Amino acid sequence: DAGVTQSPTHLIKTRGQHVTLRCSPISGHKSVSWYQQVLGQGPQFIFQYYEKEERGRGNFPDRFSARQFPNYSSELNVNALLLGDSALYLCASSWSPTGELFFGEGSRLTVL
Amino acid sequence: ELKVEQNPLFLSMQEGKNYTIYCNYSTTSDRLYWYRQDPGKSLESLFVLLSNGAVKQEGRLMASLDTKARLSTLHITAAVHDLSATYFCAVDGASGTYKYIFGTGTRLKVLA
Repeated sequence: DAGVTQSPTHLIKTRGQHVTLRCSPISGHKSVSWYQQVLGQGPQFIFQYYEKEERGRGNFPDRFSARQFPNYSSELNVNALLLGDSALYLCASSWSPTGELFFGEGSRLTVL
Repeated sequence: ELKVEQNPLFLSMQEGKNYTIYCNYSTTSDRLYWYRQDPGKSLESLFVLLSNGAVKQEGRLMASLDTKARLSTLHITAAVHDLSATYFCAVDGASGTYKYIFGTGTRLKVLA
């Protein structure tokens, strides 16, 4: 069975640009969460979506937005990129909002 | 705000030795998770601890949870080089927030 899949795996952007990261959950999972992991730190919660509705938002600026589609896949959008947005962006899916999270391989974003 | 602390942050140990990683958290939570992360990779689920007194073992790793003390331990028995990785504990946020709070991580290096 396919796990959580994310794309792209690596990307390089320059300051001020916009980026869209994509995530497909495990089949049957209806909840998707996004986490940011800066090098040397633990993952930080950004968003959780369940049944296409936002269920939680972390302490991130409005430049970060996300959405979930009817097939439960999700996009994370980041506008006006800053150098500090360079990180590994992890998507995780779960059966329910409070279920165990299963993580994808991540999208590594470098902002120059 | 819920905080999760791990210690030690770095651990270098000889093969065959035993050691324990500690995870303390600041507010009530009944669910705690342990993950392993290899360099440049995503998070691999190791243990899910769902109640006070829960103990789980897999190979050379054993995890336990004491919700009254707000403490979880990950014990390593007779370490081998393949256990070298970064280990994270994570705790469910307060009810309704639907997010994991991750610890700072413990970078383990097992020397041959």
